[in-house]
Amino acid sequence: DAGVTQSPTHLIKTRGQQVTLRCSPKSGHDTVSWYQQALGQGPQFIFQYYEEEERQRGNFPDRFSGHQFPNYSSELNVNALLLGDSALYLCASSLAAGAGIEQYFGPGTRLTVT
Amino acid sequence: KQEVTQIPAALSVPEGENLVLNCSFTDSAIYNLQWFRQDPGKGLTSLLLIQSSQREQTSGRLNASLDKSSGRSTLYIAASQPGDSATYLCAPWGSSNTGKLIFGQGTTLQVKP
Repeated sequence: DAGVTQSPTHLIKTRGQQVTLRCSPKSGHDTVSWYQQALGQGPQFIFQYYEEEERQRGNFPDRFSGHQFPNYSSELNVNALLLGDSALYLCASSLAAGAGIEQYFGPGTRLTVT
Repeated sequence: KQEVTQIPAALSVPEGENLVLNCSFTDSAIYNLQWFRQDPGKGLTSLLLIQSSQREQTSGRLNASLDKSSGRSTLYIAASQPGDSATYLCAPWGSSNTGKLIFGQGTTLQVKP
């Protein structure tokens, strides 16, 4: 049973560039959430996708956008990168978008902005 | 608004000790609480999910307890091993954070051989 997968593993970008991160949910899961984790901090919720729509959004600027495909995989796009966007980006999947549904996390993508 | 605090922030113990990690949350109206483990630079691994109707949940050497009324959960690790070295995070699900997990900063555990 494949777990949550993310690509790429590591990424180095320059300020002002754009980046796309990818996530495939655990088999059978239909909901994908994205989190940003700065060094030494707990993960911060970015947004959640269910039925190809953004269902919830955390306190992140519009530079952060996403998409969910019919096969439930998801992309996170960040435009006009800032140095402060350097972080570990985590994808989590779950069966349904309700509260209290167990979340399964992927290995993350380490983004470094120089 | 849900806020999560984990104490201590860091812990270093010799191998074999039993230890307790603490998690406090401000909104006690929760559905459940999930404990995670994170190795350096890696993703989160779910350890235990304890429902609001439960007081305890066990998996191997791990035991999580939940006291909703006081807004507290503890993770007990028995007979610690060097392989337990990691950061441990708790995340309560509640009506004030429907659809998203709220994390504290975690407790970083080092178990010395």
